[in-house]
Amino acid sequence: DVKVTQSSRYLVKRTGEKVFLECVQDMDHENMFWYRQDPGLGLRLIYFSYDVKMKEKGDIPEGYSVSREKKERFSLILESASTNQTSMYLCASSLYPGSGANVLTFGAGSRLTVL
Amino acid sequence: RKEVEQDPGPFNVPEGATVAFNCTYSNSASQSFFWYRQDCRKEPKLLMSVYSSGNEDGRFTAQLNRASQYISLLIRDSKLSDSATYLCAVTRGSTLGRLYFGRGTQLTVWP
Repeated sequence: DVKVTQSSRYLVKRTGEKVFLECVQDMDHENMFWYRQDPGLGLRLIYFSYDVKMKEKGDIPEGYSVSREKKERFSLILESASTNQTSMYLCASSLYPGSGANVLTFGAGSRLTVL
Repeated sequence: RKEVEQDPGPFNVPEGATVAFNCTYSNSASQSFFWYRQDCRKEPKLLMSVYSSGNEDGRFTAQLNRASQYISLLIRDSKLSDSATYLCAVTRGSTLGRLYFGRGTQLTVWP
């Protein structure tokens, strides 16, 4: 089974801190994604990457950046955390192109609270 | 207009009931369709892909209607363990594997 591992399940940070959320997948998937999920708003795509060192903005990239230096690792960075970035952050990966293309496997999520 | 829309529910049904969810999508170029299940405080997990001819997996049946641009999920003989949020997801052909998700439909099955 594909495994997507997010390094931190729960984080509490202060406003203005720099926050790193790490995600690693172990199945050589090309695509990786960062979503945030908030009650009533569903899953919203922040950034995604379809190859090493490549990145594409999703629907809500403001206040975030990403890094993909290695194929298996996709990091989400909050340069200066704000309270409105308190959320559940979900990383996902998919094999594209290829069989099972577009099927996303999610990590367990990182619940970030910004005070 | 949102890419994907779902009735958020909640749907509250007794055990053994049949329940159906619909999900509409706005882009006629959408190519792949999925239903995900998300338990409380857990990550979404793939429930089933939706194929053009419709497909079934045990008590779950998925249908695609391209003309009206919607997909559906039918759950027969509901179990308590079916209680979850069900998310539909679609792709567009040119978007490098990106999925567009609905906000989810909450289902509670009561004994």
